[in-house]
Amino acid sequence: DVVMTQTPLSSPVTLGQPASISCRSSQSLVHSDGNTYLSWLQQRPGQPPRLLIYRISNRFSGVPDRFSGSGAGTDFTLKISRVDAEDVGVYYCMQTTQFPYTFGQGTKLEIK
Amino acid sequence: QVQLQESGPGLVKPSQTLSLTCAVSGGSVNSGNYYWSWIRQSPGKGLEWIGHIYFTGSTYYNPSLKSRVSVSLDTSENQFSLRLISVNAADTAVYYCARVLLWLGHYYYFGVDVWGQGTTVTVSS
Repeated sequence: DVVMTQTPLSSPVTLGQPASISCRSSQSLVHSDGNTYLSWLQQRPGQPPRLLIYRISNRFSGVPDRFSGSGAGTDFTLKISRVDAEDVGVYYCMQTTQFPYTFGQGTKLEIK
Repeated sequence: QVQLQESGPGLVKPSQTLSLTCAVSGGSVNSGNYYWSWIRQSPGKGLEWIGHIYFTGSTYYNPSLKSRVSVSLDTSENQFSLRLISVNAADTAVYYCARVLLWLGHYYYFGVDVWGQGTTVTVSS
């Protein structure tokens, strides 16, 4: 299985300041079709996860442009340009390049 | 807007069978653009991919559960189901049904774009 490792596990951030979460995979996530299927999910308290970013850097429908994704191969980053109170929750990276699909352990974003 | 809703017992005895159903509204399970999936979340193991089914009936199961799990599709009722046999305490989790958006036209996604609210299943005598 592809192991997804996120850092940090917890991130206290001041409102209006940027935040960054890293995700590293144990194998390259480049698919044989040339695409890299790395996505980011947000899980607010008491809610199911929600898709934010797919294929490394593509924002899903309705996702604010303060969220951005980058990276390649085995190293990926989610950035929030200015943290808003509604961004509190746990963020997961997820790979859908190889079966079984796997998730990072989650990074808890909280407001200082 | 597509919505998914899980249903099934919240308590299952050890060694018995866990059965859940996911009702799909606002869209059809009979589409080649999606995998219909089951994912679970527990404090100990985080998010775990259980398996999925394609509209053709083709399935994939996580090898960690493969001998115990099956997913089926009911196009007449527009729903899909999970069956997990011989459960134990480690199967206690929130179970989500979810949809993987594979592609639209020639544009590839492979993202989990729709999730049910989740249902808590406890394995206990």
